[in-house]
Amino acid sequence: KNQVEQSPQSLIILEGKNCTLQCNYTVSPFSNLRWYKQDTGRGPVSLTIMTFSENTKSNGRYTATLDADTKQSSLHITASQLSDSASYICVVSGTSGSARQLTFGSGTQLTVLP
Amino acid sequence: ETGVTQSPTHLIKTRGQQVTLRCSSQSGHNTVSWYQQALGQGPQFIFQYYREEENGRGNFPPRFSGLQFPNYSSELNVNALELDDSALYLCASRLGGHYGYTFGSGTRLTVV
Repeated sequence: KNQVEQSPQSLIILEGKNCTLQCNYTVSPFSNLRWYKQDTGRGPVSLTIMTFSENTKSNGRYTATLDADTKQSSLHITASQLSDSASYICVVSGTSGSARQLTFGSGTQLTVLP
Repeated sequence: ETGVTQSPTHLIKTRGQQVTLRCSSQSGHNTVSWYQQALGQGPQFIFQYYREEENGRGNFPPRFSGLQFPNYSSELNVNALELDDSALYLCASRLGGHYGYTFGSGTRLTVV
């Protein structure tokens, strides 16, 4: 069964601090992995997308890593801002059969405090 | 991200009623998926359409149905609404198999 597990479930940090979110997946065959930021009540917004051959992808203060061998990904947020408070969802896309649909993690709820 | 528009943004319906949610995708986005997201949960896959035909379905009953139109718009129809259908409904579309999905902002459905 295709699964995506994220940790921690929730995280509280102070403004300006860094943090790292984790994502482990069992989706196979694998096509790509995306990190999304979702504000409460809004649709997810893509931060990064990584394919099998990519190890690191940056988007401003967001840096995602991917280890396709261990099926793990991380999202590192640098110099956090209050506006970073949101749910961060790891989404894995397969290439065939039942994996064709996206498999979502449950998300990490990040709260940035002043 | 822009380009995927959902309407309405909010909706309140009574149990037993029917509802139609709409999604307008970017030109060329021939694949659209619909998701149900309960509060505090990740999105759950409802179904996917490719070139106006359903080509994948999650664990949702037949009262959840959809349509995709040639102009890259789509609909999600839910019959005989139940209280548990209250959720954020998301549509996501993409240009092709090698592209990622772009999500709409969602429709918040409340069933009372």
